[in-house]
Amino acid sequence: QKEVEQNSGPLSVPEGAIASLNCTYSDRVSQSFFWYRQYSGKSPELIMSIYSNGDKEDGRFTAQLNKASQYVSLLIRDSQPSDSATYLCAVADYGGSQGNLIFGKGTKLSVKP
Amino acid sequence: GAGVSQSPSNKVTEKGKDVELRCDPISGHTALYWYRQSLGQGLEFLIYFQGNSAPDKSGLPSDRFSAERTGGSVSTLTIQRTQQEDSAVYLCASSSGFEAFFGQGTRLTVV
Repeated sequence: QKEVEQNSGPLSVPEGAIASLNCTYSDRVSQSFFWYRQYSGKSPELIMSIYSNGDKEDGRFTAQLNKASQYVSLLIRDSQPSDSATYLCAVADYGGSQGNLIFGKGTKLSVKP
Repeated sequence: GAGVSQSPSNKVTEKGKDVELRCDPISGHTALYWYRQSLGQGLEFLIYFQGNSAPDKSGLPSDRFSAERTGGSVSTLTIQRTQQEDSAVYLCASSSGFEAFFGQGTRLTVV
């Protein structure tokens, strides 16, 4: 059973701090990794994709991928109260049974003013 | 359209009735996913369409659930003889590769 694991949280950080969200996956052949943000009562919104080992930066967001450790993370710098949401990690699974896109259960982030 | 469109946004139905939920994907996207999300829970995979290939139905929870995709575009998820446990938000996503984009969802309430 291929799995994507995330700490459910809640993760609470003060405004201006760095929020670090982590995700591990079980399938070594996974090739593509995504972070979605979901505000309460809304649908998931794609915020980052990463395909190669290392870091990928987009504004205040940095995705980090380590395929050897089967680990992907999302860093949010200068966290804002508007970043408070649930963050979903998703992994593309070649030949998987879930249509090549498996989601973790999400980590709830709360940024305190 | 600019994004994935789902209709209706909200649906209230009586237990035992059939419902149809519609998803209009982003133009040109060959892949289409249906997920279900109960209150406070994660995404539950239901079904996946990719081009002209046979759909991956491995996530459908029972034979009351079915889905079709006509002409490689619009998809309809049908739930027959609805039960209260079917109450959830049903989310559709489409993709041209591996980046998937979601519609706004249909909130289904079975009373």
